[in-house]
Amino acid sequence: KAGVTQTPRYLIKTRGQQVTLSCSPISGHRSVSWYQQTPGQGLQFLFEYFSETQRNKGNFPGRFSGRQFSNSRSEMNVSTLELGDSALYLCASSLTTGTTAAFFGQGTRLTVV
Amino acid sequence: KNEVEQSPQNLTAQEGEFITINCSYSVGISALHWLQQHPGGGIVSLFMLSSGKKKHGRLIATINIQEKHSSLHITASHPRDSAVYICAVDSFGNEKLTFGTGTRLTIIP
Repeated sequence: KAGVTQTPRYLIKTRGQQVTLSCSPISGHRSVSWYQQTPGQGLQFLFEYFSETQRNKGNFPGRFSGRQFSNSRSEMNVSTLELGDSALYLCASSLTTGTTAAFFGQGTRLTVV
Repeated sequence: KNEVEQSPQNLTAQEGEFITINCSYSVGISALHWLQQHPGGGIVSLFMLSSGKKKHGRLIATINIQEKHSSLHITASHPRDSAVYICAVDSFGNEKLTFGTGTRLTIIP
């Protein structure tokens, strides 16, 4: 069974640009959560999608958005990139929302210059 | 005060030593996760606990719900166990994980 796949693995963007990251969950999993990891703040929750609906959102500005498709694949978008958005972005998939085992992808390392 | 506190922040030990990493939390939880992150970033879920104890190979995780405390133990530690270990909790009514700051473990051959 394939694991959680995130693309791309590495990305370099300049300030002001926008970026789209992709996450393909484990087959059959319907919940996808996104997290940002920075050296200063550690791992922080961005948002969770379940059945194409955003279920929960963390404390991030509106420049961070996401969506989920009918096949459960999810994308997150960051507009008007800032230097502080440089981070490792991780997604995790679960069978359903709530207390279930989460499986993480390898992450996308975004560098904003 | 963070909702999830881990100790120690850094731990260096000799190969073969018994390792204990602790996690304390301040909220009511439905489950606690132990995660492992190697250099390069990928995270592996080691355990999900809501009570008692779980064992997988050389790894053991315990949780005491009354004391709001969990421990991750590694027996016969090996250099390949070197990683950051992160505790995360599913708090009631939250439906999202809250993470500790992680424990950086280095095992010296």
